[in-house]
Amino acid sequence: QKEVEQDPGPLSVPEGAIVSLNCTYSNSAFQYFMWYRQYSRKGPELLMYTYSSGNKEDGRFTAQVDKSSKYISLFIRDSQPSDSATYLCAMSYTDSWGKLQFGAGTQVVVTP
Amino acid sequence: DTEVTQTPKHLVMGMTNKKSLKCEQHMGHRAMYWYKQKAKKPPELMFVYSYEKLSINESVPSRFSPECPNSSLLNLHLHALQPEDSALYLCASSLGQGRGYTFGSGTRLTVV
Repeated sequence: QKEVEQDPGPLSVPEGAIVSLNCTYSNSAFQYFMWYRQYSRKGPELLMYTYSSGNKEDGRFTAQVDKSSKYISLFIRDSQPSDSATYLCAMSYTDSWGKLQFGAGTQVVVTP
Repeated sequence: DTEVTQTPKHLVMGMTNKKSLKCEQHMGHRAMYWYKQKAKKPPELMFVYSYEKLSINESVPSRFSPECPNSSLLNLHLHALQPEDSALYLCASSLGQGRGYTFGSGTRLTVV
């Protein structure tokens, strides 16, 4: 079983719809949670960073963390074609200079 | 400056060549990382430097040799690579505990 599970998609939505992405994880030692956006042939770009259960909002993006269920989500409101990319969830431990554990990444396509 | 800068952006090398990838950040981050990313896969950690010392080597073959000359610079020396080493090589830096974990745009390496 992978430590972090993420549906690779593709997820296709019409412009203006809400994009809903999620990851589950098995290791309760993960304490820090991130969402990255990666365009083709580019490096990952940090969208959201959280370290506690609850919601965090930044513009059109909302990240949710439920540590009791080991489940994290990212919502993108009013989606645009420019949101078409691969979205990666990532997690790290409390002692961490160390590595991020990534999900597989979900490819999102927003159609005009 | 909130960027991680990687050079070159593209590199084609033969299996007998020696080349180096370079990475630079001026955010005061004390951890720097090399990741390897194959197509349609998440990044995989190769090396971690914290406070300019190698702290994690994820059992990477010796044909990859990292170097951290100072707190702002990270190099990856390449020698006698194989075609299967062709990938996007990503540098990242962080404040630790997942904070400020920032990726560069990567070097797309092709081994012929």
